[in-house]
Amino acid sequence: DQQVKQNSPSLSVQEGRISILNCDYTNSMFDYFLWYKKYPAEGPTFLISISSIKDKNEDGRFTVFLNKSAKHLSLHIVPSQPGDSAVYFCAARYLGNEKLTFGTGTRLTIIP
Amino acid sequence: NAGVMQNPRHLVRRRGQEARLRCSPMKGHSHVYWYRQLPEEGLKFMVYLQKENIIDESGMPKERFSAEFPKEGPSILRIQQVVRGDSAAYFCASSPEGGLQETQYFGPGTRLLVL
Repeated sequence: DQQVKQNSPSLSVQEGRISILNCDYTNSMFDYFLWYKKYPAEGPTFLISISSIKDKNEDGRFTVFLNKSAKHLSLHIVPSQPGDSAVYFCAARYLGNEKLTFGTGTRLTIIP
Repeated sequence: NAGVMQNPRHLVRRRGQEARLRCSPMKGHSHVYWYRQLPEEGLKFMVYLQKENIIDESGMPKERFSAEFPKEGPSILRIQQVVRGDSAAYFCASSPEGGLQETQYFGPGTRLLVL
């Protein structure tokens, strides 16, 4: 039962344009969401998070949007840079449950 | 300011042997989490530990797998009598406290290959 879904396994974006990565979840108890970035042979690196009481959180080139009614969140990267090429994982958790539930990841390729 | 450290980075075992994976959390972190990533899949939670206590082991297989986080020393994930299906990347994460908004910081992982 995949509670966090990333339906696009891969995405290619031109350098300088906006990258939009999507994530859907089914468990309405989730109330905190995180995005991680992962390079090959490395561990995931935390990028940005959002609490369910917000609908937007921004940090530099990265913005996460949360639509609770649709159980959907997205990560926007603008402008996209070659170093952004990696696999991006969406993760979720809820109060009283420390574990992160991850999606299957989206491989982002930035085309120079 | 060292991050989460895991060793070994790569481990090769034959079926039936034991695998021991070590994780040293970031300085000041007392919460450790283990996750497993099978090929082409996302990370799956295995176990959450604090010093000398297992808090949540709901993701651990019932047999052959165990974890500890002693008062002194690294956290250990132990897999007895490994099988080919145990081949995966095992990631450790740590956080300073528990709680909803505590970020988990990941180590580089141990890639286990069972022959």
